[in-house]
Amino acid sequence: GESVGLHLPTLSVQEGDNSIINCAYSNSASDYFIWYKQESGKGPQFIIDIRSNMDKRQGQRVTVLLNKTVKHLSLQIAATQPGDSAVYFCAPVGQNTGNQFYFGTGTSLTVIP
Amino acid sequence: NAGVMQNPRHLVRRRGQEARLRCSPMKGHSHVYWYRQLPEEGLKFMVYLQKENIIDESGMPKERFSAEFPKEGPSILRIQQVVRGDSAAYFCASSPTGRGDTQYFGPGTRLTVL
Repeated sequence: GESVGLHLPTLSVQEGDNSIINCAYSNSASDYFIWYKQESGKGPQFIIDIRSNMDKRQGQRVTVLLNKTVKHLSLQIAATQPGDSAVYFCAPVGQNTGNQFYFGTGTSLTVIP
Repeated sequence: NAGVMQNPRHLVRRRGQEARLRCSPMKGHSHVYWYRQLPEEGLKFMVYLQKENIIDESGMPKERFSAEFPKEGPSILRIQQVVRGDSAAYFCASSPTGRGDTQYFGPGTRLTVL
């Protein structure tokens, strides 16, 4: 069946602090995970992805951690900036998720200056 | 290196009119997906197309909605006889290959039905 990324709805952090956004998924057959960022009035923007044969992947100021045992992944943003304020979605993908991505409502990150 | 393009960005229609939303995928991408996003909600899949073929329309309402991706030109999402409940942001995404590949999204078309 479908595997939906489940998030806490809101997160507020102080500018300069690190942010951690969590996502739980339900389908153990998910083998590829993508994080998107959606700013107000814009389309989702690809941030970083990770495959199930990895447990950590780093990008520029972002790190994604994957724990397949508990079906959980997190997106860590270092030194959070005002421009990071957005809604963040994780999209789990697998053999039985079909052709579409299933998004939850995401986590709305607010950076406090 | 243009990304996914959608037009119009904003569309206003009166109840009963038709809405046509266009999507040009990224260069080299032959797979197109349409999603709808209601206010304060996540994106909901509608339809997946390849050139000249509808692959999966399981998320599309059975009536009034149709989609195409012709051999030449953009993909079109068509909504006939719009109702207020159709007001939403409609996003198009494209990918170079199909199932499981990263999808890249356009800026969306915001449809308002008066």
